[in-house]
Amino acid sequence: SQQGEEDPQALSIQEGENATMNCSYKTSINNLQWYRQNSGRGLVHLILIRSNEREKHSGRLRVTLDTSKKSSSLLITASRAADTASYFCATDPSGGGADGLTFGKGTHLIIQP
Amino acid sequence: DVKVTQSSRYLVKRTGEKVFLECVQDMDHENMFWYRQDPGLGLRLIYFSYDVKMKEKGDIPEGYSVSREKKERFSLILESASTNQTSMYLCASNPAGGWDNEQFFGPGTRLTVL
Repeated sequence: SQQGEEDPQALSIQEGENATMNCSYKTSINNLQWYRQNSGRGLVHLILIRSNEREKHSGRLRVTLDTSKKSSSLLITASRAADTASYFCATDPSGGGADGLTFGKGTHLIIQP
Repeated sequence: DVKVTQSSRYLVKRTGEKVFLECVQDMDHENMFWYRQDPGLGLRLIYFSYDVKMKEKGDIPEGYSVSREKKERFSLILESASTNQTSMYLCASNPAGGWDNEQFFGPGTRLTVL
């Protein structure tokens, strides 16, 4: 069943600006992951945050997790044209990753040059 | 470099045909997954497998079956293709064990059923 819901569905910003995407989910999780998908291609893992973590950084990416609100946000700082893609959050309810992930519907990000 | 490959990028089949989608990973991963992706619905899990000859139903298994005869290969089978199975199909894998396991995806197969 679809658990994650990204917000907004689409986002268009100027190059150099920061982009923020949000994700809400419904059940308890072990971790939450963010993936990027370039047009018509497979997904690429960006970052994982565990349920006992509140914030995590990786390069220009910053992820927050609020388990009390069942929500997460992905911030991309100093955006570049190459960041244009769809971004998906995915939850792993059990840990270990053997049971598959539950994905949201995605945010389509467009970076205007 | 880790790699998941899928047999076709684009596939066109007729209603009622039996369709095989193949996925191969070269990372010696135990777990393999099949998802379908549709506009406005995101990715939905069809089947997964955590070992050779093992399979588990995901959220939308109806109309599909799978085969895992070798560790590196996971096949998705559409027994009798229907137009509502027109979709992008994505295969993924990850290793067993550990607590934080990202999934590695193939490039996808865009299937059209006419």
